[in-house]
Amino acid sequence: GAVVSQHPSWVICKSGTSVKIECRSLDFQATTMFWYRQFPKQSLMLMATSNEGSKATYEQGVEKDKFLINHASLTLSTLTVTSAHPEDSSFYICSGQGVYNEQFFGPGTRLTVL
Amino acid sequence: AQSVTQLGSHVSVSEGALVLLRCNYSSSVPPYLFWYVQYPNQGLQLLLKYTTGATLVKGINGFEAEFKKSETSFHLTKPSAHMSDAAEYFCAVSDRAFGNEKLTFGTGTRLTIIP
Repeated sequence: GAVVSQHPSWVICKSGTSVKIECRSLDFQATTMFWYRQFPKQSLMLMATSNEGSKATYEQGVEKDKFLINHASLTLSTLTVTSAHPEDSSFYICSGQGVYNEQFFGPGTRLTVL
Repeated sequence: AQSVTQLGSHVSVSEGALVLLRCNYSSSVPPYLFWYVQYPNQGLQLLLKYTTGATLVKGINGFEAEFKKSETSFHLTKPSAHMSDAAEYFCAVSDRAFGNEKLTFGTGTRLTIIP
């Protein structure tokens, strides 16, 4: 199957700082990428859908000014958590949508905000 | 709107025993249904999916699932559990509106294998 990578895999930051997470489709072009967050022992919650070259569509309750998403190319989407606080600590997972609309998931990024 | 209910947040089976993980869905349109597995600190791996056609779907690692429209169910089974099957399993339904395959996940079932 297609491969999606995320970088970094784990990041620890101080409260108030911003953190950027990269999501790359390594061997396919992803017109659409999805960002999810997963709290410990809970399910994945869709945060936003990003389409290459256009603004992301955020799910209800997700602050677009806090979670900035950029999908500048067909192989790269970034999620920036601005002014992070401890409650933003979570596991962030991206997925890229392939040609047949299937989703390929990245390995996730664990964010810990101190 | 779609939704998924996974019955049983934790399931324990003995090694070699039958694995049965339950999933019921709600969808206003013919659903696409998925089962994913997640190992600790990793992303999701697709086990199998149902889109159209044959209602019994075979996936990787010996898993299979049967789509039953009358019961709105998509239960995951494996005849003989292996220690390596211990993981978190998520059932998901796809929202196929606007060409984007937005996935709605169930709350997950943690499968423990007893030696």
